[in-house]
Amino acid sequence: TQLLEQSPQFLSIQEGENLTVYCNSSSVFSSLQWYRQEPGEGPVLLVTVVTGGEVKKLKRLTFQFGDARKDSSLHITAAQPGDTGLYLCAGDGAGNMLTFGGGTRLMVKP
Amino acid sequence: KAGVTQTPRYLIKTRGQQVTLSCSPISGHRSVSWYQQTPGQGLQFLFEYFSETQRNKGNFPGRFSGRQFSNSRSEMNVSTLELGDSALYLCASSAGQPYGYTFGSGTRLTVV
Repeated sequence: TQLLEQSPQFLSIQEGENLTVYCNSSSVFSSLQWYRQEPGEGPVLLVTVVTGGEVKKLKRLTFQFGDARKDSSLHITAAQPGDTGLYLCAGDGAGNMLTFGGGTRLMVKP
Repeated sequence: KAGVTQTPRYLIKTRGQQVTLSCSPISGHRSVSWYQQTPGQGLQFLFEYFSETQRNKGNFPGRFSGRQFSNSRSEMNVSTLELGDSALYLCASSAGQPYGYTFGSGTRLTVV
């Protein structure tokens, strides 16, 4: 069974601060995806990383995929209240199914 | 283009009843997956369909079943509902990896 450990579970920061969310596994994934979910809605795909060591930037968000394709991180620079939400990492392993981490609930206070 | 559409958005059922949830994927997407989201267990994979065939199934009891039609629309069914089946049920469609998945807004099922 593939498992993804996501940390921290909760994060409350002030506007303008930086933060990093981690996603770790003992399993190798063919790709790793990050989603953001708002209350009452489905997760929205932010990025997919495929290659070990890959770094992708999306405005103030930077995503990294570990060299061994077992872990990933999401770094947000100068967080804004609009970044508030539930961040989920998900690994795509075998069988066309996603294994989700437990999520990081981020609150950015103005 | 239209996103993934799930109906109904909210549902209240009584223990022992059965329920059918519907999902219309993005046009052209042939893969449809279902996930259950609860506060305690997070997001868990139920099953995935491609061209009307179930390709993978998660670790859920046989009360949970699904199917996919020739137009890629999918339904999932839960029979003999239990209180613990209360959850947000999410459908996702994909054009294949590594394009990721597009999720619908979900169906919030409450079993009383």
